[in-house]
Amino acid sequence: AQRVTQPEKLLSVFKGAPVELKCNYSYSGSPELFWYVQYSRQRLQLLLRHISRESIKGFTADLNKGETSFHLKKPFAQEEDSAMYYCALFTGGFKTIFGAGTRLFVKA
Amino acid sequence: GAVVSQHPSWVICKSGTSVKIECRSLDFQATTMFWYRQFPKQSLMLMATSNEGSKATYEQGVEKDKFLINHASLTLSTLTVTSAHPEDSSFYICSAPVSYSYEQYFGPGTRLTVT
Repeated sequence: AQRVTQPEKLLSVFKGAPVELKCNYSYSGSPELFWYVQYSRQRLQLLLRHISRESIKGFTADLNKGETSFHLKKPFAQEEDSAMYYCALFTGGFKTIFGAGTRLFVKA
Repeated sequence: GAVVSQHPSWVICKSGTSVKIECRSLDFQATTMFWYRQFPKQSLMLMATSNEGSKATYEQGVEKDKFLINHASLTLSTLTVTSAHPEDSSFYICSAPVSYSYEQYFGPGTRLTVT
């Protein structure tokens, strides 16, 4: 079965603390994974994709095929990082399935 | 980057009426578009895949006669909620993939309130 699991609905950290948003997937093929972010009152937008191995706004995510994980990390959280984060799996035919999302709240 | 627009951004309608939501790709062509439904503080639920020039593909549990999808051109897909009920009140979002990428570009969403 194709599935994306984000176990945490809410993650609250202090500014400057490290943050890790967990994502696990289930997919029989070679996965194409993404992290999307939705800031307050804004549309959903791409944060990063695993194939590009880039760092956006200080966030990185490494695909671990052994653990079927694609956790999102940032060493020092900022208040402006507060948002809803969705892990997503491309399943073919341009179709993408999303995890339930994790709301990150960065406290001052 | 690619831009997807939706119209209207919010709509209020009476129970039993129909309402149409438009999704447009502004600077690229989209043979495929997707319609999602998002409940408050919840994830996106894929409703259907809109295919230009052919019938939409609906996800399991989505009533195709209630949520009519038409993809009449390479830049426009419409979702019509027919005989709306209060439980249809939700945030409806469309997206379109860029052909050379697996990335989805999302519209800003349409908030539907059925009274």
